[in-house]
Amino acid sequence: DQQVKQNSPSLSVQEGRISILNCDYTNSMFDYFLWYKKYPAEGPTFLISISSIKDKNEDGRFTVFLNKSAKHLSLHIVPSQPGDSAVYFCAASARGTYKYIFGTGTRLKVLA
Amino acid sequence: DAGVIQSPRHEVTEMGQEVTLRCKPISGHNSLFWYRQTMMRGLELLIYFNNNVPIDDSGMPEDRFSAKMPNASFSTLKIQPSEPRDSAVYFCASSLAGAFGEQYFGPGTRLTVT
Repeated sequence: DQQVKQNSPSLSVQEGRISILNCDYTNSMFDYFLWYKKYPAEGPTFLISISSIKDKNEDGRFTVFLNKSAKHLSLHIVPSQPGDSAVYFCAASARGTYKYIFGTGTRLKVLA
Repeated sequence: DAGVIQSPRHEVTEMGQEVTLRCKPISGHNSLFWYRQTMMRGLELLIYFNNNVPIDDSGMPEDRFSAKMPNASFSTLKIQPSEPRDSAVYFCASSLAGAFGEQYFGPGTRLTVT
């Protein structure tokens, strides 16, 4: 049973436009959320995180939004660049635990 | 820093053979994680070590899987005997400051069992 779900396996966006990647979770104990980015033949790299005490965290072109009532988070990339083309993993963790529960990933393709 | 180092990068083996995957975490990191990536299940945590001690191996799928961390700079994940359904990419990650430290992933080992 997937506790962290990324229902869109792929997404294509035009360069310069906004990319929105979505993630849903089922466990209300999760209180820390992360996005990782993965290029082919490389390991995932940390991108941005958010604690449940916040509903938004911004880092340059990347913003993560958290809607606790809906158990939903999203990653916005503005403006999208061809170098953003990668697989994006959403992950969640509960306080006092060490496990990151990852989603299955969304492959983003930014078209030049 | 060289980052997390994994070897081999690719492994092709026949069903029934023993497979050993290796990981060198980032120097100074005290937590080490082994993950498996498949299309269906994404990234699954197999086992977590803290200060070289296995803390949780509940993600290890079967007794055919075992992991060790003999010292702070080396860990192995062994599959014996291997089966075709073990084919996946296996990642090692390390972090500082326990579980909530950002995890740094290695490049992964792509395992194919025929």
